[in-house]
Amino acid sequence: DVKVTQSSRYLVKRTGEKVFLECVQDMDHENMFWYRQDPGLGLRLIYFSYDVKMKEKGDIPEGYSVSREKKERFSLILESASTNQTSMYLCASSLYGGRDTDTQYFGPGTRLTVL
Amino acid sequence: AQKVTQAQTEISVVEKEDVTLDCVYETRDTTYYLFWYKQPPSGELVFLIRRNSFDEQNEISGRYSWNFQKSTSSFNFTITASQVVDSAVYFCARGSNYQLIWGAGTKLIIKP
Repeated sequence: DVKVTQSSRYLVKRTGEKVFLECVQDMDHENMFWYRQDPGLGLRLIYFSYDVKMKEKGDIPEGYSVSREKKERFSLILESASTNQTSMYLCASSLYGGRDTDTQYFGPGTRLTVL
Repeated sequence: AQKVTQAQTEISVVEKEDVTLDCVYETRDTTYYLFWYKQPPSGELVFLIRRNSFDEQNEISGRYSWNFQKSTSSFNFTITASQVVDSAVYFCARGSNYQLIWGAGTKLIIKP
């Protein structure tokens, strides 16, 4: 079974803090994704990575950066957290990409509150 | 934008009823993949099905079934004899290369 883990289920941070959200997958998947989910707005892609050290912006990259130094780990970084970044953050991975979109498997999510 | 529409925001049924969740998608691709996911109250998105656009046969898995109609660009999901544990938000998505284009989700409430 594919397992995607996220470093925290719940996180509370202060405005202006630097925040790291970690995601690890154990199935040697090529692709990893970060989404945020907000009521009424559905799932929105922040960034994705199709290889180590490679990244692509998604629909809402502003205010975020990512790091993928190892294949199994994909980090989402909030350089200076703001209250409008309070949200549920979901990490996913998929084996391969390209035209044959592969299944994305999700972690349990991190509910981040920025005060 | 080539979007995915789940017109039903919320559906509420009594346990043991059958329920169908609608999904309509837009695409200019001849080959594509369609997906359904379940998000229970715990929050984790659970993969249910991935279908190739060339395979128009209906799929059945236990109480779950999917009806793919390429002519109407629809990929509907039916739960037969619903149970309280089916209560969740269900998302339909269409593949676009690496990414998924998501519907807004349908909240399904199964009352005992």
